[in-house]
Amino acid sequence: AQSVTQLDSHVSVSEGTPVLLRCNYSSSYSPSLFWYVQHPNKGLQLLLKYTSAATLVKGINGFEAEFKKSETSFHLTKPSAHMSDAAEYFCVVSDRFGSARQLTFGSGTQLTVLP
Amino acid sequence: ETGVTQSPTHLIKTRGQQVTLRCSSQSGHNTVSWYQQALGQGPQFIFQYYREEENGRGNFPPRFSGLQFPNYSSELNVNALELDDSALYLCASSAAGAFGTDTQYFGPGTRLTVL
Repeated sequence: AQSVTQLDSHVSVSEGTPVLLRCNYSSSYSPSLFWYVQHPNKGLQLLLKYTSAATLVKGINGFEAEFKKSETSFHLTKPSAHMSDAAEYFCVVSDRFGSARQLTFGSGTQLTVLP
Repeated sequence: ETGVTQSPTHLIKTRGQQVTLRCSSQSGHNTVSWYQQALGQGPQFIFQYYREEENGRGNFPPRFSGLQFPNYSSELNVNALELDDSALYLCASSAAGAFGTDTQYFGPGTRLTVL
């Protein structure tokens, strides 16, 4: 069975400082991993995706994530936070159950950006 | 914007009633998945439809049912509503098949409140 653990429920950073959101996963197979962002009262927007082509994945809005198989981690980073980055972030693992591709979400990390 | 649309935006029902939520998938996508997101939690997989058939289901009771139409749009039906069914319901579309991708693109969601 697959699972995702987001190690911090809340992260607070100052504008212009680096962002680190931590994620560990468990999967029986070689998984696909994603980060999605959810702004208040909005749907989920795809930030980036890992599918074994490269361990360092670049996404939108300056975010990137590094896949570390030995640590079963997929942490999300950004060099410099912007006020518009304040949102809920979800680490997600995709695995196949029969013929279906099922996404399993972490519990989310609420990012606050202070002026 | 992902091109996935959902209706209605908000809905209020009373316990025991039935509800139908609708989703139009992104152009070129033939697979639709439904997720339930309770307040303060990550989305939970309900089921997935491909070629008008359910091809995967999460841990939800049979009173949660769905349909997919030839144009790949989809409906989620919930019978005998319970208070705990209050949540944001998210629809996601993807392109399945031999050369398909497991990347899922989400709509803005339908907020269901059960009184």
